[in-house]
Amino acid sequence: GAGVSQSPSNKVTEKGKDVELRCDPISGHTALYWYRQSLGQGLEFLIYFQGNSAPDKSGLPSDRFSAERTGGSVSTLTIQRTQQEDSAVYLCASRPGTGVNTEAFFGQGTRLTVV
Amino acid sequence: KQEVTQIPAALSVPEGENLVLNCSFTDSAIYNLQWFRQDPGKGLTSLLLIQSSQREQTSGRLNASLDKSSGRSTLYIAASQPGDSATYLCAVSAGYALNFGKGTSLLVTP
Repeated sequence: GAGVSQSPSNKVTEKGKDVELRCDPISGHTALYWYRQSLGQGLEFLIYFQGNSAPDKSGLPSDRFSAERTGGSVSTLTIQRTQQEDSAVYLCASRPGTGVNTEAFFGQGTRLTVV
Repeated sequence: KQEVTQIPAALSVPEGENLVLNCSFTDSAIYNLQWFRQDPGKGLTSLLLIQSSQREQTSGRLNASLDKSSGRSTLYIAASQPGDSATYLCAVSAGYALNFGKGTSLLVTP
């Protein structure tokens, strides 16, 4: 696709339910990031994937959060037993190759509301 | 740990004014700095990427400068327009990680 695609754009879920958020990076981009943006807060790093290397999961806030990336392309962020504090916009970004001097491109985000 | 600060947090200017947004960072060992724009309820749109070896980058009415040694970057917007109203975020990269500031919320009034 032309850009980073995220789905769904909005998700309302009941506390305690599991949710899956999807990210389709730009074709050919090997680096993929997940960030979380809470109301009035900056962007919080969650996880980073680079090709077939082991992901950097250092930003995941608890063991209820997990992410995978299948075939080096699509990524899914899963939140188990959702809590109200998980309500935020979840943003995905991708970058071409392993070069650090490349632009990061973001998707439109998934707005998660836990009620 | 890299800390990124953006000042001011909010700014309101009349249409046509030139303006400067500021970004500072605590660790000067960066590879690049990227400026983004975020419209309400939307994702981030990349505006400019400045590599650590560069001093500035220009795109249309936007000019971003980088002084790595002092840990500062500015985004200059010339002849502001109401359509420039958005939140502007800077992010520094010292590897693959992007560290973001909290942004400057800009309102350009007609």
